[in-house]
Amino acid sequence: ETGVTQTPRHLVMGMTNKKSLKCEQHLGHNAMYWYKQSAKKPLELMFVYSLEERVENNSVPSRFSPECPNSSHLFLHLHTLQPEDSALYLCASSPGLEASEQYFGPGTRLTVT
Amino acid sequence: GQNIDQPTEMTATEGAIVQINCTYQTSGFNGLFWYQQHAGEAPTFLSYNVLDGLEEKGRFSSFLSRSKGYSYLLLKELQMKDSASYLCAVMDSNYQLIWGAGTKLIIKP
Repeated sequence: ETGVTQTPRHLVMGMTNKKSLKCEQHLGHNAMYWYKQSAKKPLELMFVYSLEERVENNSVPSRFSPECPNSSHLFLHLHTLQPEDSALYLCASSPGLEASEQYFGPGTRLTVT
Repeated sequence: GQNIDQPTEMTATEGAIVQINCTYQTSGFNGLFWYQQHAGEAPTFLSYNVLDGLEEKGRFSSFLSRSKGYSYLLLKELQMKDSASYLCAVMDSNYQLIWGAGTKLIIKP
């Protein structure tokens, strides 16, 4: 596989469930990102990792917990979510944190019931 | 605060030209990006401007004026497959991308 892949593509979970989103990049990039995309709203940056170190956490609720075990993989662990957390969650990667294009995965459509 | 403004929706005719505007106010500037996002798909990179002027890439061109905090994406010879959302994003002084809400472009035959 090439590019950025995400699993699952769709997820429905109750507010008391625990689930994880997975992202994998096959581009040899050093930086990885989690974004939240809600309808008619700008992309919201959630977390940034560079060389497996978290460099940014934009005031995200603690019910979202990221994990970056190596430079190719990124996880987003979810627990006790709220209905307003329903959105498209996009993973992206870039060569580094400098001004360069980001490559996006297809996203996970999350619905919290 | 940081802000990116672009029209919510635009409609154009197949074969015509359309210009999508983007204005921004950010903490610092390290370049402006345009992405295309088809419904249900990932955003894909279209262009990057860091210096003033016009960058042309096939049917698509992007313009930047840093003094005016303004950019536009110009799409020529529109095709039905160009129906998508177009996202404007500015990289700030911390190398974080600040995103606009996107412009949904509808192409009519």
